[in-house]
Amino acid sequence: DAKTTQPPSMDCAEGRAANLPCNHSTISGNEYVYWYRQIHSQGPQYIIHGLKNNETNEMASLIITEDRKSSTLILPHATLRDTAVYYCIVSMNTGFQKLVFGTGTRLLVSP
Amino acid sequence: GAVVSQHPSRVICKSGTSVKIECRSLDFQATTMFWYRQFPKQSLMLMATSNEGSKATYEQGVEKDKFLINHASLTLSTLTVTSAHPEDSSFYICSARDTSGSLNEQFFGPGTRLTVL
Repeated sequence: DAKTTQPPSMDCAEGRAANLPCNHSTISGNEYVYWYRQIHSQGPQYIIHGLKNNETNEMASLIITEDRKSSTLILPHATLRDTAVYYCIVSMNTGFQKLVFGTGTRLLVSP
Repeated sequence: GAVVSQHPSRVICKSGTSVKIECRSLDFQATTMFWYRQFPKQSLMLMATSNEGSKATYEQGVEKDKFLINHASLTLSTLTVTSAHPEDSSFYICSARDTSGSLNEQFFGPGTRLTVL
């Protein structure tokens, strides 16, 4: 079973920041937080991952609370092309470790 | 980033036939690949873990004789849906981990849409 909880849907205006929350209260010490997104009828796309420090890349920022029980994915300037289902997944960072997807958050970016 | 391809992207077959789907890691080697299935408006469901040179590990409830997995090389895994029926119609997605770098990212293929008539 997925070990994360996300809101089923969120709306965001184009150009504004999209903040997607995720609860993972049972995360263990060696598990990372991964974020993927899936645009309709495509394979999931990797966005970012982190262990306990905040992370930033060209796509997004990941803010992980100090107790690691929740995190927030931030898309700083959402565009229409960011409309997708966003999945938050916790997993160990090893080559054989599988990713178990929950239901995700459907983000709709509107003009 | 690393690329994972799938072939075919779309297939339509008659009930009772078998269909083979290929998953390739194009610019990295993957000892482990994963197969997922996704029904409309649902999340991805992990079917099995494919291990190069050994038997696949199937998730609970997935029939190993129905969904044959062969991971013959470090860049190729195949999923064969045997004696397909309409209820097997779904979006099949593979993924592979690139463990050569420090990020250890898992990359997904574009998916194969199977329609069984």
